[in-house]
Formats: sequence, structure tokens, C-alpha cells
Amino acid sequence: IAGITQAPTSQILAAGRRMTLRCTQDMRHNAMYWYRQDLGLGLRLIHYSNTAGTTGKGEVPDGYSVSRANTDDFPLTLASAVPSQTSVYFCASSDGGGANVLTFGAGSRLTVL
Amino acid sequence: GQNIDQPTEMTATEGAIVQINCTYQTSGFNGLFWYQQHAGEAPTFLSYNVLDGLEEKGRFSSFLSRSKGYSYLLLKELQMKDSASYLCAVNNDYKLSFGAGTTVTVRA
Repeated sequence: IAGITQAPTSQILAAGRRMTLRCTQDMRHNAMYWYRQDLGLGLRLIHYSNTAGTTGKGEVPDGYSVSRANTDDFPLTLASAVPSQTSVYFCASSDGGGANVLTFGAGSRLTVL
Repeated sequence: GQNIDQPTEMTATEGAIVQINCTYQTSGFNGLFWYQQHAGEAPTFLSYNVLDGLEEKGRFSSFLSRSKGYSYLLLKELQMKDSASYLCAVNNDYKLSFGAGTTVTVRA
């Protein structure tokens, strides 16, 4: 089934640890995105990539980094996790066309203690 | 910057109609989206408006007025399965900015 796979589904992490959230899509979409979703704040864009080899900063990029070595994979890394990064993280992709409809992964729930 | 406002919660009765309003002020505009998100799940695409007017898709319709920075999502013949959050999002330079979402509760 075509779509986006995120891993892990859920993780509890000690503050100060490094963590990478994985995202893989099999739709050959050009654009990929990472959002975090917090109660009352909605989805906020962390980083994005319009095509393989390029990345850009979203609304809340501090404390996060991404890479886009190929079309399919778009990992999100927290170099040194802090409790304020406790959130649900959604990866999304789009074909980058005029409508730019996003397809979302199932999400990764991260708790930083 | 982006400013997208929608009500936090709405409650309606099964079989009724509910209208969710969204107002926006953004630095750029390439279209407005509505997504549905059930609790604990990922958002899924409902509708897209780039020109003024009404787009109808079955029980769901979406309206856009670009001059007023205003959109609404109309849900007709409400069913229990429509209980979810509805997210308004503006496409600006091919990046989506989302409102905080409106939680709709459908009661029997």
C-alpha cells in the first residue's frame, strides 16, 4: 500500500539524548515536510524539502535538523532533546504540484523527560 | 507571518448541518485546504479552494472569499463518524500553515 511510514510510533526519551525520527515514502513525491502537533497550537512546520538534496526551515526549526539524501527518506534529528520537544510529530509529502495536497504519515509520539 | 483562526469546538446533532469558519491573514496565498483528523490519527485531505466560491463534494462543501480572507467548511447530514477535528490550512509558497483546528462533536 503506497504511503508514508514513520518510525518509531512512540518513544520515551531522556533529556539530552539524541533521537532520529524516520520517515519513508513510496509515492515518489518531490516535497516532504515535518510538522509537530501540540494541543491548542495545531500543526507547526519544522523543516521541509522541496526535492532531494535541498532542505529549508519552517516555523519552528530550532533544535531540529533534517537531511534529504534521496527522494524517499526524510529523517528528523533532535541533537539534544529537551522536554519542550514532547509532541506528536507528523511527516508528510506532496507531489509539489499546483494544489500541493499533503499526505501524512501516522505520526510519532515523542515524550522527553 | 501567518494568522489562521477557527473556533475551538462545535457540537451538533446527528443529521444536522454544521458550518466551521476560518479566517486568515497570510503574507502569501496559493490556496486554502481543509483536513479532517480523527483522534489519534493522521490528518486526511478533505477539500481545496484556490478561487472564490463554493466547492461541493458529497456531504462536505467548502467556500472561499479571498478578498475577505475567509473560508468555511459545511458538513451536511452529520453522522457520528464525522466527530473529529477539522483543520483549516493556507498554502503559502507551497508550504501549508495550519490553524489550531475545530473539534466537532456529533451527538445522537
